Amino acid sequence: ILNVEQSPQSLHVQEGDSTNFTCSFPSSNFYALHWYRWETAKSPEALFVMTLNGDEKKKGRISATLNTKEGYSYLYIKGSQPEDSATYLCAFYGGSQGNLIFGKGTKLSVKP
Amino acid sequence: ETGVTQTPRHLVMGMTNKKSLKCEQHLGHNAMYWYKQSAKKPLELMFVYNFKEQTENNSVPSRFSPECPNSSHLFLHLHTLQPEDSALYLCASSHEGLAGGNEQFFGPGTRLTVL
Repeated sequence: ILNVEQSPQSLHVQEGDSTNFTCSFPSSNFYALHWYRWETAKSPEALFVMTLNGDEKKKGRISATLNTKEGYSYLYIKGSQPEDSATYLCAFYGGSQGNLIFGKGTKLSVKP
Repeated sequence: ETGVTQTPRHLVMGMTNKKSLKCEQHLGHNAMYWYKQSAKKPLELMFVYNFKEQTENNSVPSRFSPECPNSSHLFLHLHTLQPEDSALYLCASSHEGLAGGNEQFFGPGTRLTVL
């Protein structure tokens, strides 16, 4: 059984704080790692799809790194804003298995 | 607007009812997916359709029956469900499946309650 673990489960920060959270995934048969952002009452929205070891991607104040050899990815948010409040999901794709395996997510709350 | 729509948004049904969930994507994608999210569990893939052909069925009970008449539409037919089937059902689409690292585009989901 493939396991994708995300930590922490939830996080409360003040506006302006920078924060990061972790996604752990199997280090074998790696094909891609997805990050999604899911605001309450909305649809999950793709942030990044990462495929190369050592890759770093950035979108505005949000960035992500990938280490496929040790099986982890970090998501960073610089200068958190209240609108960043959401659940952040990561998902592992192992190619031949045919589907995405999701973690339970990290729920971020940013207080003004 | 994500380009993926789902109807209905909320559904309450009895265990003997038959109902259908509908998903439509306006993105020109070839792959469509049904996911289930139960409380405190991660998203679980149920079915995958690639070019209208079912390519994955993750041991889903037969009381859930998918249908993909064309690349833009996906249905989930529900029959004699159990209360534990109450969950959020999400539809997603992507370009040519997950190969090549294609991101998925999700609909808003149908919140299903089985009484």
